[in-house]
Amino acid sequence: GEDVEQSLFLSVREGDSSVINCTYTDSSSTYLYWYKQEPGAGLQLLTYIFSNMDMKQDQRLTVLLNKKDKHLSLRIADTQTGDSAIYFCAERKGGKLIFGQGTELSVKP
Amino acid sequence: GAVVSQHPSWVICKSGTSVKIECRSLDFQATTMFWYRQFPKQSLMLMATSNEGSKATYEQGVEKDKFLINHASLTLSTLTVTSAHPEDSSFYICSARELGMTSGRNNEQFFGPGTRLTVL
Repeated sequence: GEDVEQSLFLSVREGDSSVINCTYTDSSSTYLYWYKQEPGAGLQLLTYIFSNMDMKQDQRLTVLLNKKDKHLSLRIADTQTGDSAIYFCAERKGGKLIFGQGTELSVKP
Repeated sequence: GAVVSQHPSWVICKSGTSVKIECRSLDFQATTMFWYRQFPKQSLMLMATSNEGSKATYEQGVEKDKFLINHASLTLSTLTVTSAHPEDSSFYICSARELGMTSGRNNEQFFGPGTRLTVL
């Protein structure tokens, strides 16, 4: 199966919080990342978390890491229409990045 | 800082021709560059890792004679799709990594904007 798994779609209303979940398999991963991809564009690094951290907050973004369950989540507070995009989680594994399938976030006004 | 460009941003070619895609790190030196392929609505699949001055390391299932990678300088890597066919149509994304960064994001990859290849 996939090393990194995400749900494929999430739909929220503008102003609500969005939570995108990700599971990974390699407990030795040192860094875990969240990337944003807008249509027809490359990947933009949103945030990252080091494996010895449980939580990281960066403005509207909150990353939670449950290392025991190998579960990573990204919470976007006060979601805006401009947040509509595909969000990829990725784990660093031996110098490479292994990506999840991406979660398409749709924000409705 | 840490800007990566790709050229062209999109290309349409006839079946059987070869296409070269460039990946440049604009404000840093990239000892390692990565080439990914992305199909619509799917994840990025790593094709190969190229290190400046040495041969690229290809992932399992990627034909090295089909996808030629050259990383001749610390700021430029090229991917050439040889004898392209319609099944090679895809979104190709490169990323670049600078070793020796002192930030907590050591070894972070910076991504280019991607190149859309359509083979007719």
